Amino acid sequence: GAGVSQTPSNKVTEKGKYVELRCDPISGHTALYWYRQSLGQGPEFLIYFQGTGAADDSGLPNDRFFAVRPEGSVSTLKIQRTERGDSAVYLCASSPRPSGGHNEQFFGPGTRLTVL
Amino acid sequence: KQEVTQIPAALSVPEGENLVLNCSFTDSAIYNLQWFRQDPGKGLTSLLLIQSSQREQTSGRLNASLDKSSGRSTLYIAASQPGDSATYLCAVRDGGSNYKLTFGKGTLLTVNP
Repeated sequence: GAGVSQTPSNKVTEKGKYVELRCDPISGHTALYWYRQSLGQGPEFLIYFQGTGAADDSGLPNDRFFAVRPEGSVSTLKIQRTERGDSAVYLCASSPRPSGGHNEQFFGPGTRLTVL
Repeated sequence: KQEVTQIPAALSVPEGENLVLNCSFTDSAIYNLQWFRQDPGKGLTSLLLIQSSQREQTSGRLNASLDKSSGRSTLYIAASQPGDSATYLCAVRDGGSNYKLTFGKGTLLTVNP
């Protein structure tokens, strides 16, 4: 079956611009996660959705970052006034059901964001 | 705050060797530990998931062990092949958050033909 998909695969933008990154989770998965991976680092948690609501947004670095999941499926990560330090690979993951210790996260291919 | 460390940062071996990748974590109150593979420019592929109550998991030539009390896990790769070349990431699901994965920086493995 289809896995997690993310669009675009690559995004190049200029400093100060607004960008949107999209994630389509595996059908039926209620939990959705965003992570950010900077060069040479492991992914770092940004935000977790359970259904339509953001259950934990403690990983968002500042108020320029915002994410939505209006219908409990597709999610969009929005970055305002982009800065060069925002350049990274943004990874999305989903899992089948509400948080639980035995719940595996399935990752998408990521969106590589480059801010010039 | 949970911290995950992976050693070595990079490893180069000839084809056919058996090898061990190491992962350590500072807070032993975890739900599970997951090993991922990441190819250049790609996303993460889950290799093995070990629940906190388990000691090891096996899949093909891969074997992962977990010593929760000492905060350590190892990924053993038998009879390595050039196709195994990738970055291997270790991640723990913290008991406190119940969903958040904390990752190490990874080990870059190169298997030479």
